Amino acid sequence: AQSVTQPDIHITVSEGASLELRCNYSYGATPYLFWYVQSPGQGLQLLLKYFSGDTLVQGIKGFEAEFKRSQSSFNLRKPSVHWSDAAEYFCAVGARNTDKLIFGTGTRLQVFP
Amino acid sequence: DAGVIQSPRHEVTEMGQEVTLRCKPISGHNSLFWYRQTMMRGLELLIYFNNNVPIDDSGMPEDRFSAKMPNASFSTLKIQPSEPRDSAVYFCASTGGAAGAIDEGLFFGSGTQLSVL
Repeated sequence: AQSVTQPDIHITVSEGASLELRCNYSYGATPYLFWYVQSPGQGLQLLLKYFSGDTLVQGIKGFEAEFKRSQSSFNLRKPSVHWSDAAEYFCAVGARNTDKLIFGTGTRLQVFP
Repeated sequence: DAGVIQSPRHEVTEMGQEVTLRCKPISGHNSLFWYRQTMMRGLELLIYFNNNVPIDDSGMPEDRFSAKMPNASFSTLKIQPSEPRDSAVYFCASTGGAAGAIDEGLFFGSGTQLSVL
């Protein structure tokens, strides 16, 4: 069965520091992978997605993620965090030719000035 | 585009009352999803529709929950009777991927915060 694990419940970084949020998935074939961001009181917004091809994908707001099949990981990165990046981040996995997305439990990012 | 529109934004009701949540998907999208978010269980898929037809309702917790999509521009999620444990944020999402909903990812509404007292 598909599953997604986000090992870090809460991460705190200083503004301007680099960021990496971890995501591990379990799936029998090549998955579709997504990162979403949720600001307080808002719905989830798509940051980026991976289906195939180049394993390093670029998203909005300066985020990128790298698919590593050998590690079953899809970690989200940003070289320099801004205070406005404080939010909750969700990794999700889906299967080709299905409509379902399975979400991880989320990582809450706090940014100190 | 106005995005996915949900109403109401907040709903406070008493145990035993009927609750109806509403969703208008993005125009042209052919798949619609209802999710529930709680601290304990995270994001759970309740049900999803494709071309107005329910495809998978295995996530609907009990018979107290029902969902309809009478046309391409409107869906409802109803809880009757409501219970305190139903308190959560309910999200509606839509997508219009041609080869399956996954391709474009999901577009979420702002959610309905439901509190059942």
